[in-house]
This record gives sequence, C-alpha cells and structure tokens, in this order.
Amino acid sequence: EVQLVESGGGLVKPGGSLRLTCATSGFTFSKAWMSWVRQAPGKGLEWVGRIRSKSAGGTTEYATPVKGRFTISRDDSKNTLYLQMNSLKTEDTGVYYCATGGGQYFDLWGRGTLVTVSS
Amino acid sequence: QSALTQPRSVSGSPGQSVTISCTGTSSDVGGYNYVSWYQHHPGKAPKLIISDVSKRPSGVPDRFSGSKSGNTASLTISGLQAEDEADYYCGSYADRYTWVFGGGTKLTVL
Repeated sequence: EVQLVESGGGLVKPGGSLRLTCATSGFTFSKAWMSWVRQAPGKGLEWVGRIRSKSAGGTTEYATPVKGRFTISRDDSKNTLYLQMNSLKTEDTGVYYCATGGGQYFDLWGRGTLVTVSS
Repeated sequence: QSALTQPRSVSGSPGQSVTISCTGTSSDVGGYNYVSWYQHHPGKAPKLIISDVSKRPSGVPDRFSGSKSGNTASLTISGLQAEDEADYYCGSYADRYTWVFGGGTKLTVL
C-alpha cells in the first residue's frame, strides 16, 4: 500500500524555522519526483516546490513566495522528503501536503501537517 | 503566478451532471496540456481524478471527464452521487517550471 505521511508541523513564531518530513512507502521513492503543496485556512491549494529524482538531476524549483526561504531535499536511502522552512511569515500558515509528481500532475498525496505561524 | 479561477461552489441533484470551470492564461492552462483535477474530502488526502486535461487514472469512474478550450479547462461529473460531494481543485503546469492551482470549488449534492 502506498503511503505518504507528513510530520513536523506545529506552532512557530514569525521569523522562526521548522522542518517538515514526508515518510513514504509502497513505491520506488528514488525514481519519484516529489512536491510540496500547501493550503492556507479557507483558501485553495498553492504549489510550494518540487524536487526531481536524482536520475533527473535532483534539482529543485520553488514558488516565488517561498524562494530563498524554503528548501526541499530528499533522502532516498530513507524514502523520505523534507521541507526546511526558514524566516517563516504569518502567511505561511496552513496545511502542508507532500505529493508524488510535479512534472505533469500530482498523483499521490499525504493527509498533510498543519503549520501555524503566530506570535 | 496568479491562481486559476474556479467557481466557489456548484450543486446538483443525484443523477444530474455538473461542470466546473477553471480559467487561466496562455502561460498556464492555455499553454500546456498538463491540466489536472483533484478531489478533496476535508481531512483526507487529495486525490487525482483527471490528468493531462482528460485522462482518468486507474480506478476513477468514467463519470468524471475533463476537457480544455483555450485558457479554460473543465471538469464534468455526470450521474452525480452523494460521495462526489467534496472540494475540487484544478492545477496546471505553468511557465518557468512552476505550477498553479485554482481556488477550489465546493460541490454540493442536493
């Protein structure tokens, strides 16, 4: 069974940092492009960024609002995806989902982890 | 990158059909055939229901169909069922290797 399980969310003050983790199983993680997508309270989905598989270069792209503050990385030996979030702002509050894909579509998603940025 | 435009809500009775529109620009919806649709029951993982404008992943009922004309994509759900009540999001690949999503449409089955 395919599983993507996000963790690491919580309450953090503006300017703080947080690292999210997406533990996966049931598919060949090393071959998968992986993405992070977020949803602010009462709002729609917003693409955060993507990391290609190592065989495709392992490169990353980010949405403009998070560029320079967020970093996506992966550990293929642990089948795990990460999102390092620095200089957090109140507008970063929301549920963060990891998903496979980000090339043509996002085919498998986790249930998300809630990040709250508030003083 | 601006979000794609979707109606905030649509509704229909069981057995009827509904169509949800998704309007973007030539830099996203109109420029690429990488429009996808996602069904989201709150509290659960979003689910891919349409990829590449009109392709249905394995296991998705053929009641769900997608299309595109110019800068607008559409999702049609025919033979509405109670379990179709959910939030629906469109997404499109966009210029400079980015992605953009719609604001979401709440489908109510009356």
